[in-house]
Amino acid sequence: EDQVTQSPEALRLQEGESSSLNCSYTVSGLRGLFWYRQDPGKGPEFLFTLYSAGEEKEKERLKATLTKKESFLHITAPKPEDSATYLCAVHLLYNFNKFYFGSGTKLNVKP
Amino acid sequence: GAVVSQHPSRVICKSGTSVKIECRSLDFQATTMFWYRQFPKQSLMLMATSNEGSKATYEQGVEKDKFLINHASLTLSTLTVTSAHPEDSSFYICSARPRSAGRSYEQYFGPGTRLTVT
Repeated sequence: EDQVTQSPEALRLQEGESSSLNCSYTVSGLRGLFWYRQDPGKGPEFLFTLYSAGEEKEKERLKATLTKKESFLHITAPKPEDSATYLCAVHLLYNFNKFYFGSGTKLNVKP
Repeated sequence: GAVVSQHPSRVICKSGTSVKIECRSLDFQATTMFWYRQFPKQSLMLMATSNEGSKATYEQGVEKDKFLINHASLTLSTLTVTSAHPEDSSFYICSARPRSAGRSYEQYFGPGTRLTVT
């Protein structure tokens, strides 16, 4: 059965304290893995797409990496404005219209 | 670019009435539009997938007669919750996949619609 698991469920950091969020997946075939940021009461905002193991992408303080079993979202020197829920989703190889979302990691960055 | 809008952002309706939610891709044509439902502190659950001009494909457990989806054009999809009940109260989010080949795997989300059924 296809599954996506995110950890931790919640993460509290001090401003400037770097950390990583994990997205592990078990799927029959991976077409791509997506990271989104969601603020309360809003729709998810696209961050990154990763397609193959070893791929990395960066945007400001965020860096996403991908292996054959998991993806990490590294946050370097976070700021309070990085506080949000971060969602990962896998796009299946054998079902073009199917995206499985993880339950998200709620990040809180204290000043 | 890649902006998706939803209307209304919030709606309160009485039990037994129907409510329509619109989803529009503002600056691109969408091959496919998706409708999700999100419960508090939970992730997104795909309800249905719709392609312009064809019937929507519903996920298992989603009542197609209750959640009517119409994908009238390459930029507009609507979700109608018929005979709404309090348990239908939720956050409904649509997304759209751009028609342009280079971004065809990505989907861009609308801001969501908070439905409250009293």
